[in-house]
Amino acid sequence: DAEITQSPRHKITETGRQVTLACHQTWNHNNMFWYRQDLGHGLRLIHYSYGVQDTNKGEVSDGYSVSRSNTEDLPLTLESAASSQTSVYFCASSESWQGGQFFGPGTRLTVL
Amino acid sequence: QKEVEQNSGPLSVPEGAIASLNCTYSDRGSQSFFWYRQYSGKSPELIMSIYSNGDKEDGRFTAQLNKASQYVSLLIRDSQPSDSATYLCAVQFGNEKLTFGTGTRLTIIP
Repeated sequence: DAEITQSPRHKITETGRQVTLACHQTWNHNNMFWYRQDLGHGLRLIHYSYGVQDTNKGEVSDGYSVSRSNTEDLPLTLESAASSQTSVYFCASSESWQGGQFFGPGTRLTVL
Repeated sequence: QKEVEQNSGPLSVPEGAIASLNCTYSDRGSQSFFWYRQYSGKSPELIMSIYSNGDKEDGRFTAQLNKASQYVSLLIRDSQPSDSATYLCAVQFGNEKLTFGTGTRLTIIP
């Protein structure tokens, strides 16, 4: 069955370290998204991609970057982790503009 | 800035009753509307989508859309304890990215 996976599921890192969170989908969806979810803020969009070599900034993109070299993967990199980036990160994908997005299981990141 | 508003709850409903969840949005031109269910510690799961005014039914779930009044609602009939979760409303204008509400926490009381 097609699915969307994220790794690692849990990560503890130190301030200033570079961290990469992986997202892999086998739906063959063109659209992929990264969100963070924090209490009181709901889901906030970090970066998104509408296809290979396409990346776009979301509402909370500072300190994060993505690259899209193939259809299946959209890794999220924290260039220099900060305590404010402690959060739960969700990757999502969608087939079309009007279809809903399907979410991965999430990565809980703690920055000490 | 496009906004999506939901009552954060918690909303407590007796088992077997109808749970009614509401969502309002600011962008009158919004075209696509979604309801997600999120269990504690899990990822959001798409449960309903609606694009036209009126009702859309899927099993025990009914989504209702009123574009003139800019609200979308989710009814859950015969509520079960397994329906206890946070429900997220999401709204999309054209091919733009989704805007999510902060969610309503629903508790079904046995």
